[in-house]
Amino acid sequence: ELKVEQNPLFLSMQEGKNYTIYCNYSTTSDRLYWYRQDPGKSLESLFVLLSNGAVKQEGRLMASLDTKARLSTLHITAAVHDLSATYFCAVDAGSGTYKYIFGTGTRLKVLA
Amino acid sequence: DAGVIQSPRHEVTEMGQEVTLRCKPISGHNSLFWYRQTMMRGLELLIYFNNNVPIDDSGMPEDRFSAKMPNASFSTLKIQPSEPRDSAVYFCASSPHRDRDVEQFFGPGTRLTVL
Repeated sequence: ELKVEQNPLFLSMQEGKNYTIYCNYSTTSDRLYWYRQDPGKSLESLFVLLSNGAVKQEGRLMASLDTKARLSTLHITAAVHDLSATYFCAVDAGSGTYKYIFGTGTRLKVLA
Repeated sequence: DAGVIQSPRHEVTEMGQEVTLRCKPISGHNSLFWYRQTMMRGLELLIYFNNNVPIDDSGMPEDRFSAKMPNASFSTLKIQPSEPRDSAVYFCASSPHRDRDVEQFFGPGTRLTVL
């Protein structure tokens, strides 16, 4: 059974600092997705990572995928308050399914 | 495109009542997913459909839950009878079938409170 773990679960950081969120998964998959959720809102797609070594960047966020290590990272550069949200990774369960298994989420709070 | 549409946005009901949640996927998307989100259990996939056919309902918690997709533009999730532990946010998501390079798009959710 595919399991997806994120760490940290909670992250409080100062504006201007850098940090990385980690997403580990337990079985082979070559597709991974990152989502953002603001309090009381829906999930918004951030990145789609489709192969080993994939790297995507948007503004202060950069995501990467290492399928051999079964690891994805979401790196935050020079954080700003607007990045405060919960970030989820989701792994494609594969085997002909279209199911995602979501991580536990990382609640990020950027302090001014 | 209007995105995934869900109704109602909020529902408050009493234990034992029937609850029906509705979803309209993005036009042209023929995979549809129902999720439940709670603080304790996070995001759970309840059921998903491809081309209106239920493919995997292993996440449906018990027989009180049922889902249908009578056509490509409409799906329902029904809880009968409802219980307080069903209180959660229920999300519907859609994606193009057979195109795993495109992510799932989520609706705004229905916040269900069962008293």
